[in-house]
Amino acid sequence: DAGVIQSPRHEVTEMGQEVTLRCKPISGHNSLFWYRQTMMRGLELLIYFNNNVPIDDSGMPEDRFSAKMPNASFSTLKIQPSEPRDSAVYFCASSSQADTQYFGPGTRLTVL
Amino acid sequence: SQQGEEDPQALSIQEGENATMNCSYKTSINNLQWYRQNSGRGLVHLILIRSNEREKHSGRLRVTLDTSKKSSSLLITASRAADTASYFCATDKAGANSKLTFGKGITLSVRP
Repeated sequence: DAGVIQSPRHEVTEMGQEVTLRCKPISGHNSLFWYRQTMMRGLELLIYFNNNVPIDDSGMPEDRFSAKMPNASFSTLKIQPSEPRDSAVYFCASSSQADTQYFGPGTRLTVL
Repeated sequence: SQQGEEDPQALSIQEGENATMNCSYKTSINNLQWYRQNSGRGLVHLILIRSNEREKHSGRLRVTLDTSKKSSSLLITASRAADTASYFCATDKAGANSKLTFGKGITLSVRP
């Protein structure tokens, strides 16, 4: 089992550019979570999906952020336009039966 | 505010000593989990304790849960330098439909 796969691992972009982060959950898991981690705010849940349906997006900072899960094996988190304060490590995690979450390696985003 | 608050924020011990980390939370929970994060990596699940359990063991890890005090502790016995990492507690709030809320973490340093 390859675990949760995220791409890219590192992204450096300029303010105003569109950023797309990708996640492939563990096969068979029916829940997918997007988190953001910063030193100041710790680990924040942005949005999570259950059976490809968004359940709770209350953590999405603002309209610049959007997430999709078109099928059970793929999800994207998009930031458009990006701002320097979006710089953080973004994690995707998946789980089954609403218990243990398995985290990907994260995408380190730097917005200049 | 954070559902889970870890204490202390940082802990430095000598190899071979025991490390005790605490977590307090505010609302009723289904379960409480502890995760570990090595620098630059994703979180890794360590142990889960359900609200009807009081103590659980896994190798050198021992977790206790006191629902009357809304607190949990993680004990790592006979610590090793490789245990150096950040440790997070996460609560699955009752009725929250698989959503976990993480604390800000404890940085554990084990000196060889």
